[in-house]
Amino acid sequence: NAGVTQTPKFRVLKTGQSMTLLCAQDMNHEYMYWYRQDPGMGLRLIHYSVGEGTTAKGEVPDGYNVSRLKKQNFLLGLESAAPSQTSVYFCASSPGVSQGTDTQYFGPGTRLTVL
Amino acid sequence: QQQVKQSPQSLIVQKGGIPIINCAYENTAFDYFPWYQQFPGKGPALLIAIRPDVSEKKEGRFTISFNKSAKQFSLHIMDSQPGDSATYFCAASIGLGYSTLTFGKGTMLLVSP
Repeated sequence: NAGVTQTPKFRVLKTGQSMTLLCAQDMNHEYMYWYRQDPGMGLRLIHYSVGEGTTAKGEVPDGYNVSRLKKQNFLLGLESAAPSQTSVYFCASSPGVSQGTDTQYFGPGTRLTVL
Repeated sequence: QQQVKQSPQSLIVQKGGIPIINCAYENTAFDYFPWYQQFPGKGPALLIAIRPDVSEKKEGRFTISFNKSAKQFSLHIMDSQPGDSATYFCAASIGLGYSTLTFGKGTMLLVSP
């Protein structure tokens, strides 16, 4: 099992450009999450999904959109990138209530720089 | 607003020492308290977790102490090793799978040889 994978690993954007970050998991998990990690700020939840076709806002959703068309994939979109979105983005997944555990499994991260 | 306050921000100990990282929470509805460990360039990974029905949990050299009345929990690393050098995050959530994790801001631990 690859676990949670993220594409791309690194990206540099210019202000106003758009991009999509892809997260894939092969553990048949119900829940998926997108976080951003900034120095001294910890992990902040952007959006999450509790199942295929569902999404919900987290703590810092502004400027981001997400989609979960397939259970194994969770996409994070930036429609018009801003320098404030320079960060390391982590995707995570968890089994959900049905499997009796809250453990979240994280991907390796995507380092995004917006100039 | 749900909050988890973590301290210290950074910590340096010598090999064999016992670093202690503390977290405090406000929401008494929290009932799941995990610790995640993150090495440079990697994603966080679950280290150990506790629920409020016990006051302590040990897994190898890692121990969580939980004080429900004080709304505090802490991570102790016994006989710390240079390989334990990492960033540690505490977190909290309400109910199994029914809410998202709220993370502390992290503690960067350096264990010197």
